[in-house]
Amino acid sequence: QVTLKESGPALVKPTQTLTLTCTFSGFSLNTNGMRVNWIRQAPGKALEWLARIDWDDDKFYSPSLQTRLTISKDTSKNQVVLTMTYMDPVDTATYFCARLRNGGHMDFWGQGILVTISS
Amino acid sequence: DIQMTQSPSSLSTSVGDRVTITCRASQSISTFLNWYQQKPGKAPKLLIYAASSLQSGVPSRFSGSGSGTDFTLTISSLQPEDFATYYCQHSYNTPYSFGQGTRLEIK
Repeated sequence: QVTLKESGPALVKPTQTLTLTCTFSGFSLNTNGMRVNWIRQAPGKALEWLARIDWDDDKFYSPSLQTRLTISKDTSKNQVVLTMTYMDPVDTATYFCARLRNGGHMDFWGQGILVTISS
Repeated sequence: DIQMTQSPSSLSTSVGDRVTITCRASQSISTFLNWYQQKPGKAPKLLIYAASSLQSGVPSRFSGSGSGTDFTLTISSLQPEDFATYYCQHSYNTPYSFGQGTRLEIK
């Protein structure tokens, strides 16, 4: 079955770089049409799409965060990594990774990881 | 970028009620519209994709309709486990975006 799980630090200081890893199973990012994306949700707020990476290594980013985000994949480890630079307290959120199907719907999600930005 | 607007933002309802939530896109998105359910502390769960296709395992009391800019999610008879927050999401192009959410509360 398909599973995804986010990992990374729970606490990051302002101005530092956040690195999150999404480890998945049940599918391969080598398979044509497979995609993984990252979404975040600030406490009590709506979902915000961040970035996407495709099986062919195409990458897409939220325009408002594009200068701070980098998404990459390690297909041998079944992992997708998101880095976000210059973290600020407003970036405090639960970060989710999710598999993206043709048509753009997210059919499987990780449990999420709460990242707090504080000194 | 395409903006998604949901209404209402919250709804006080009762078990057995028929509930309709609407989502409007700032431009035509054909049927590239998806609906998710989120319960507190949990990840969103896909309910409907491509505007009207029911995700596997989702009860048939959930249905979706619409195309272009206007979409609806309908729950035919609300069950206790349906009290949650619902989000629409467009997948017409990147950047994807979500509506602000509709919270269903027990009356």
